[in-house]
Amino acid sequence: QKEVEQDPGPLSVPEGAIVSLNCTYSNSAFQYFMWYRQYSRKGPELLMYTYSSGNKEDGRFTAQVDKSSKYISLFIRDSQPSDSATYLCATPPLNSGGSNYKLTFGKGTLLTVNP
Amino acid sequence: DVKVTQSSRYLVKRTGEKVFLECVQDMDHENMFWYRQDPGLGLRLIYFSYDVKMKEKGDIPEGYSVSREKKERFSLILESASTNQTSMYLCASSGQLSGANVLTFGAGSRLTVL
Repeated sequence: QKEVEQDPGPLSVPEGAIVSLNCTYSNSAFQYFMWYRQYSRKGPELLMYTYSSGNKEDGRFTAQVDKSSKYISLFIRDSQPSDSATYLCATPPLNSGGSNYKLTFGKGTLLTVNP
Repeated sequence: DVKVTQSSRYLVKRTGEKVFLECVQDMDHENMFWYRQDPGLGLRLIYFSYDVKMKEKGDIPEGYSVSREKKERFSLILESASTNQTSMYLCASSGQLSGANVLTFGAGSRLTVL
């Protein structure tokens, strides 16, 4: 089983819709969870990160972690055409020595928001 | 604004050529990374470096080498390019953000090997 699994989509929604993007992970020891956004022909950029369980909100974006089911979600409210991008979930795996600088990425979900 | 700069955005090379991809960061980060990104396969780690002259293999190091002579610069080298190395190459560096290591990526270098 891969460490992080993500539905690749693609996902197409009308402007204003609520979008739900999801990932599952295999290692219950993971503690940090991140969402990166990648516009076409650009590198990924950090959108949000959360630690442990619960929700984190930033404007129209909400990141949610459910550790009991090992499920990570990103919700986008009132989606806009400018939100059209690939969204990647990521987590740093735990290894010996506590170094967590290597991230494991999901494969990304391509989102298109239609005007 | 923090930056990771990849010197070449688009390259076209022939099979067997030696290819250098350069990456420079201005954040004084210790850790730097090279990923490749392919449709359906996502981001895969080729090599990373946690200090000058230090490197570790990632998940797919075969056919690649790296060089880190200065803290701010991390180079990816394809000794003899092959068509299956046609890909988007992404450089990143990482720093701490509230206890979490966060990657900052460059814009990418799209390499085509003919």
